[in-house]
This record gives sequence, structure tokens and C-alpha cells, in this order.
Amino acid sequence: DIQMTQSPSSLSASVGDRVTITCRASQSISSYLNWYQQKPGKAPKLLIYAASSLQSGVPSRFSGSGSGTDFTLTISSLQPEDFATYFCQQSYRTLGYTFGQGTKLEIK
Amino acid sequence: EVQLVQSGAEVKKPGESLRISCKGSGYSFTSYWISWVRQMPGKGLEWMGTIDPSDSYINYSPSFQGHVTFSADKTISTAYLQWSSLKASDTAMYYCARDTTAFGVVIMYFFDYWGQGTPVTVSS
Repeated sequence: DIQMTQSPSSLSASVGDRVTITCRASQSISSYLNWYQQKPGKAPKLLIYAASSLQSGVPSRFSGSGSGTDFTLTISSLQPEDFATYFCQQSYRTLGYTFGQGTKLEIK
Repeated sequence: EVQLVQSGAEVKKPGESLRISCKGSGYSFTSYWISWVRQMPGKGLEWMGTIDPSDSYINYSPSFQGHVTFSADKTISTAYLQWSSLKASDTAMYYCARDTTAFGVVIMYFFDYWGQGTPVTVSS
């Protein structure tokens, strides 16, 4: 199984801050990495796929980078609606998908 | 508009059986796989497995193999997740998601549409 480890598990930040969340895979997954945002009581929402491709309709303040085992999600200027939990997902379909444990982004 | 609409909340007793559904609309149901994802109370997301509605090919996560069964009825664009004997530990929110393949320089996979979730409570 490919294990996905996110850091930090939680993060406090202020509106306007630049925030980076990291995801590390237990083995190389090339660019098979997606990011999702989940707000309380709601289904997850796709933000970034293939490590760095912005899903249609997602604000450009969200960006993703990385390949191999190390990936980052960056929010360039936090907005009030961005406070949520973020999950990475490795998407090597033949090996089965795996999610990271999540990063809860809270208001400072 | 692409939509995945799941069946409503369920409250069951241990040992009972259950089937929940996920109906797709606004797209060709047989052109995309459907994955199921579990979220236990206050916890993260766990991929349970995926089904190809066109031919009912299934790939279960090893963690869920033998505990759940997937099926699909392409004539009514609906995927199902079922249990034959529920346990208290099955209490969770269950999501279906459209498992999309994107063809570019390399083929990529992601969940671009999600159902609203079906909460399942198993308690005596």
C-alpha cells in the first residue's frame, strides 16, 4: 500500500496569509496526486489534480506543486471561505487510491 | 449539470443488511467509474473501492474486501453499496464519487463530482 502523510495536521492562519500544506508519499507516485477541500457537513471538493492542474472553477489563489514523493498545496492569500480541511490523494488507480489524514485549517 | 444523488440516512441494528444507492445524472453513466469513500465520525477519508458501471468490473480496497459489495444498474444509472451484516464500526458517512480519467501527456485520475453523502448509523 502507498501511504500518504500530510503535515501539519492542523494549522492556524489569518485572512490574507500565505499557507502551504505538505503531502508525502511512501513511494514515488510521479504526478498522481490530487487535493480536495472539505467543509463541515459537506462532501469533499476537488481543487487540484495531477499535482498542479487547477480544477475548473477553483480560484487561482490555490496552486499545487511537486512530483515523486513530495507535494505541496499553497493558498496565496487566505480568504474567509478557505477555512476547511484539506486532503491529498494518491491516484495510482491500479494500486488503489489512498488519502492523506487531512490538514485542518483554522482561523487564528 | 452533473449530479450524483445518494439515498437518505439509515439507522440499522448490528447484523442487519443494508443497501445504499448513488444515482448519476447529467453525464454518460457508463463512461465513468464510481468510487465509494467512507468517513467515520470526526475522521479522514478512506477509499473503499471502485466499480466500472459499463461492465461491473470492481476493484475493492484490501481494507474493505469481503466486508462490502458494490454493484451497478446501468439501465437506471445507479450504483450501490451493500452490507450483508452490519457492525457498529460501520457507522460513518458514505460518499460516492465520479472517478474520472483525464487524457493528457499522461493519464490522470481524480474524483471530480461527489454525492452529498449517506449517513449510516449502526446501533443496538
